[in-house]
Amino acid sequence: QQPVQSPQAVILREGEDAVINCSSSKALYSVHWYRQKHGEAPVFLMILLKGGEQKGHDKISASFNEKKQQSSLYLTASQLSYSGTYFCGLPGKGYGKLTFGQGTILTVHP
Amino acid sequence: DGGITQSPKYLFRKEGQNVTLSCEQNLNHDAMYWYRQDPGQGLRLIYYSQIVNDFQKGDIAEGYSVSREKKESFPLTVTSAQKNPTAFYLCASRRSAGGPDTQYFGPGTRLTVL
Repeated sequence: QQPVQSPQAVILREGEDAVINCSSSKALYSVHWYRQKHGEAPVFLMILLKGGEQKGHDKISASFNEKKQQSSLYLTASQLSYSGTYFCGLPGKGYGKLTFGQGTILTVHP
Repeated sequence: DGGITQSPKYLFRKEGQNVTLSCEQNLNHDAMYWYRQDPGQGLRLIYYSQIVNDFQKGDIAEGYSVSREKKESFPLTVTSAQKNPTAFYLCASRRSAGGPDTQYFGPGTRLTVL
């Protein structure tokens, strides 16, 4: 079943913060986060493998709350380069399958 | 450099023609995947392959076919049976089907059927 992302779109000014949520109706075992620039391939950001895990890369971090069946992506002091569509992917049954959310469009203005 | 290549970047075909999209990887990854992305939409899984000579249907396999004769290659054929083939097609690979790993994507092929 497809995870649900919220919000669908976010508009920020440089330096502002944003949070993107990814929720599942089923138990979460891992969460994969990607960013896609317009017309390009999704780029892997990070993977969270267990409840309570938090990771960060530069000013982008994520948390994984398995009890709430939710993961959140935090973008701090956003930069113009953060603009794009963010997807979360949840593992399916076997073979390394991922089911992706519908995406959150993040736009950062100067 | 290791990576995933897809060719061509843009492809135009007439309605009713079959077309094959190329996907090659030199990462020595076992698993490979094909996704379709429509404007403003997420990624939907078409086919996937865990090992050579084995592949499975994804969520939207109708009108598509694949082969996996070599580890490095996973071509996708869009047949005339696919009713709405115009889309952005993405190929991905993963080191192995199991374990805490993720998928890495190629640059994509934008197919337009006229």
